[in-house]
Amino acid sequence: SQKIEQNSEALNIQEGKTATLTCNYTNYSPAYLQWYRQDPGRGPVFLLLIRENEKEKRKERLKVTFDTTLKQSLFHITASQPADSATYLCALVGGATNKLIFGTGTLLAVQP
Amino acid sequence: DTGVSQDPRHKITKRGQNVTFRCDPISEHNRLYWYRQTLGQGPEFLTYFQNEAQLEKSRLLSDRFSAERPKGSFSTLEIQRTEQGDSAMYLCASSFRGSSDEQFFGPGTRLTVL
Repeated sequence: SQKIEQNSEALNIQEGKTATLTCNYTNYSPAYLQWYRQDPGRGPVFLLLIRENEKEKRKERLKVTFDTTLKQSLFHITASQPADSATYLCALVGGATNKLIFGTGTLLAVQP
Repeated sequence: DTGVSQDPRHKITKRGQNVTFRCDPISEHNRLYWYRQTLGQGPEFLTYFQNEAQLEKSRLLSDRFSAERPKGSFSTLEIQRTEQGDSAMYLCASSFRGSSDEQFFGPGTRLTVL
């Protein structure tokens, strides 16, 4: 069955450093992959989408890479700030309905 | 447009009772999804509507669950004879077919079954 794994442990980093979050998947060949941010008690918020033919995508301080050979996506936040503290979810897009198949998420804590 | 809204935000019920949740998607969005999220997990897909047609249901959706989207606008999710295992956050999301397919999520309905 399809499986998506994200860093199971929370990630603690110092303000100003680059945070790198990992998403690995098996038994699937997604046409594209999305990253979402989720704050406690709220719904996920879309951040970035990357297609299988794109190696890298950037948006302000965010960067996503997609390696279909390794079946892995990396999500980077440069110059991190305490306001970036949240859970980050990786999602594969599944089937004709475009339903999202989410990983468990990685909790990022940026210390001032 | 203020985004996707869900009502109620919180629901506490006793085991065996029926509950109904409502989702109002972004008005021009023709795709609507329901997901369920438990603590420490990512959201899990429950069901999908394109306009008023329910086109996919997850195996997670037992026969106690039913969803509708009359007239292709708002949607309701009903759980009959609730069980403690139904306690979760129920999230609704909408998107517009043909866009980049990003989904816009509502704030969720937190269900607690006692």
